[in-house]
Amino acid sequence: EIVMTQSPVTLSVSPGERATLSCRASQSVSSNLAWYQQTPGQAPRLLIYGASTRATGIPARFSGSGSGTEFTLTISSLQSEDFAIYYCQQYNNWPPFTFGPGTKVGIK
Amino acid sequence: QLQLQESGPGLVKPSETLYLTCNVSGGSISSSSYYWGWIRQPPGKGLEWIGSIYYSGSTYYNPSLKSRVTISVDTSKNQFSLKVSSVTAADTAVYHCARRVDDYGNYSFDYWGQGTLVTVSS
Repeated sequence: EIVMTQSPVTLSVSPGERATLSCRASQSVSSNLAWYQQTPGQAPRLLIYGASTRATGIPARFSGSGSGTEFTLTISSLQSEDFAIYYCQQYNNWPPFTFGPGTKVGIK
Repeated sequence: QLQLQESGPGLVKPSETLYLTCNVSGGSISSSSYYWGWIRQPPGKGLEWIGSIYYSGSTYYNPSLKSRVTISVDTSKNQFSLKVSSVTAADTAVYHCARRVDDYGNYSFDYWGQGTLVTVSS
C-alpha cells in the first residue's frame, strides 16, 4: 500500500497571500495524484487531477505540480472561501486508493 | 448537475451489519466512464477508501476491509449500496458515496455526496 504524507499539518496564511502545500508518496505514483478541498460539514471537492490539471470550474489561483513522490499544491492568493482542509490522493497503485492525512489552511 | 445522496441508519450496534444506500440523480449510474464508490472519514480524521463498483457489478475493495464489505448496484433505481458486517466502534465515521472517473490518467473522485454519520454503539 502506498502511504501518503502531507506537510505542514497546519498552515496559517493571511487573505491575499500565497499558500504552498506539500504531499509525498512512499513510492513513485508518477503523475497519478489528485488534490481535494474540504470545508467543515461539506463533501470533499476535487481541485486537481493528474498532478497539475484543474478540475472543471476550479479557479486559476489553484495550481498543482510535481511527479514521482513529491507534489505541491499552490494557492496563489488566498480568498476567504479557501480556508479549508486539503487532501492529496494517489491513484497509481490500487487497490487501495490512498489519501494523505490533510493540511489545514487557517486564517493568520 | 449530478447529485449523490447517502441514506441509512445513523446508529448501529456492535457486531451488527451497517447498510447504506447512495441515490444518484442528474445522471445515469450506467455510464461507461465511471465507477461508484464509498469513502469514509472517522470523526476528526482523514479519508479512507472502502471500495468501488461498476454498473455491470464489477467491484474493487480496500484489502483492509474486504472480508467485511460488500458493494452492490441497482441500475433500475440508479443507486448503489454498502454493507459492512461485524461492525465495531472503529467503523464509526461519516460515510461518503462518490463517483470515480475511469479514464486513463484520471481515476479521481469528481462528485461526492454530503456524507452520513454512522455511529457504532450499544
